[in-house]
Amino acid sequence: GAVVSQHPSWVICKSGTSVKIECRSLDFQATTMFWYRQFPKQSLMLMATSNEGSKATYEQGVEKDKFLINHASLTLSTLTVTSAHPEDSSFYICSARSSDTQYFGPGTRLTVL
Amino acid sequence: LAKTTQPISMDSYEGQEVNITCSHNNIATNDYITWYQQFPSQGPRFIIQGYKTKVTNEVASLFIPADRKSSTLSLPRVSLSDTAVYYCLVGDTSPFSSGSARQLTFGSGTQLTVLP
Repeated sequence: GAVVSQHPSWVICKSGTSVKIECRSLDFQATTMFWYRQFPKQSLMLMATSNEGSKATYEQGVEKDKFLINHASLTLSTLTVTSAHPEDSSFYICSARSSDTQYFGPGTRLTVL
Repeated sequence: LAKTTQPISMDSYEGQEVNITCSHNNIATNDYITWYQQFPSQGPRFIIQGYKTKVTNEVASLFIPADRKSSTLSLPRVSLSDTAVYYCLVGDTSPFSSGSARQLTFGSGTQLTVLP
């Protein structure tokens, strides 16, 4: 199947700093990518839909000014967690669609101290 | 977006066949059914996808009745390494759909534990 990568795989940062997570589709182009967040023992929750060349669409309750999404090319979407706080610590997963199937990245573990 | 209902957990033994059933009563005409496997601290891995009847690949089979209001993932001869959370998702994954119709919403998933 298609491959989606994320970088970094894990990151630890201090409270108040910003963290950028990259999501790449390695062998296909994706006009749309999705960002999910997963807390321990819980399911994945969709945060936003990233659209190449246009603004992202955020789910209800997700602050667009805190979770900045940029989808500058057909193979790269970035999620920036601004002014991170301990409650933002979570597992962030991106996905992209190739043909009729949605493929997921390996995830990024964010820990905010 | 179609809501899905799965058992929260299931136990099985090595070598047995495991069937996980998912209910999706309000599935739409354009919706496909997709199953993913997730290990701790990893992203979901695609297992199988279908629209109707039966689909089989090298790792699993997917059975979908005529009314499409449910589906069953069948894992033949499970091993310890199949212990994971399995998610059933329903959505319009056509490349020709747009916007919210293309999102996949996760339910609670089924924690499968394979015992020796």
